[in-house]
Amino acid sequence: DIQMTQSPSSLSASVGDRVTITCRASQGISNYLAWYQQKPGKVPKLLIYAASTLQSGVPSRFSGSGSGTDFTLTISSLQPEDVATYYCQKYNSAFTFGPGTKVDIK
Amino acid sequence: QVQLVQSGAEVKKPGASVKVSCKASGYTFTSYYMHWVRQAPGQGLEWMGIINPSGGSTSYAQKFQGRVTMTRDTSTSTVYMELSSLRSEDTAVYYCARARGGIAAAGRHDAFDIWGQGTMVTVSS
Repeated sequence: DIQMTQSPSSLSASVGDRVTITCRASQGISNYLAWYQQKPGKVPKLLIYAASTLQSGVPSRFSGSGSGTDFTLTISSLQPEDVATYYCQKYNSAFTFGPGTKVDIK
Repeated sequence: QVQLVQSGAEVKKPGASVKVSCKASGYTFTSYYMHWVRQAPGQGLEWMGIINPSGGSTSYAQKFQGRVTMTRDTSTSTVYMELSSLRSEDTAVYYCARARGGIAAAGRHDAFDIWGQGTMVTVSS
């Protein structure tokens, strides 16, 4: 089975900072990669699919890149409302989620 | 608007079964795959399986093979997830989630764009 890892597991940054989260697949998955945001006590929300396509209604400060095994989610200017846990997910065969990255405000 | 509405919280004893429902509205029910995902308290997201609401075919994560059954009722646009032989480790919030692109356009390999509100299942003696 293909495993998904994320780094870091948590981070703390200031409002306005550029934040980057990395997701790695143990084998190549082309661009079958999605990113989700889950705020505390809330339902997961799709941010990006196909590694780099922004879901409708998602702020443009979120962006995704990568292909194959290495992917990144970038928040260009962190906002207080971005406090959440972020999960990557592969969907080329089985639908495996990464372990998550918790983002806080410093 | 497009939405998925799940059934309410459940409390079950070890060894029992639970059946969670997910009613779709605002789109053509048979045109989009549906998934089930669970999240134990304080833990990450875990994919359980997928159902094609059109034909009813299913595919389950290996971890749940033999314990999970996903079904659908096209007359009410509802999918169901039944988990049997419950144990304390099955205590979690269970979500249904729609695959984004539609069966005809994207097949089963797509991200999850619409999620139900979640159903808390507590397994305790």
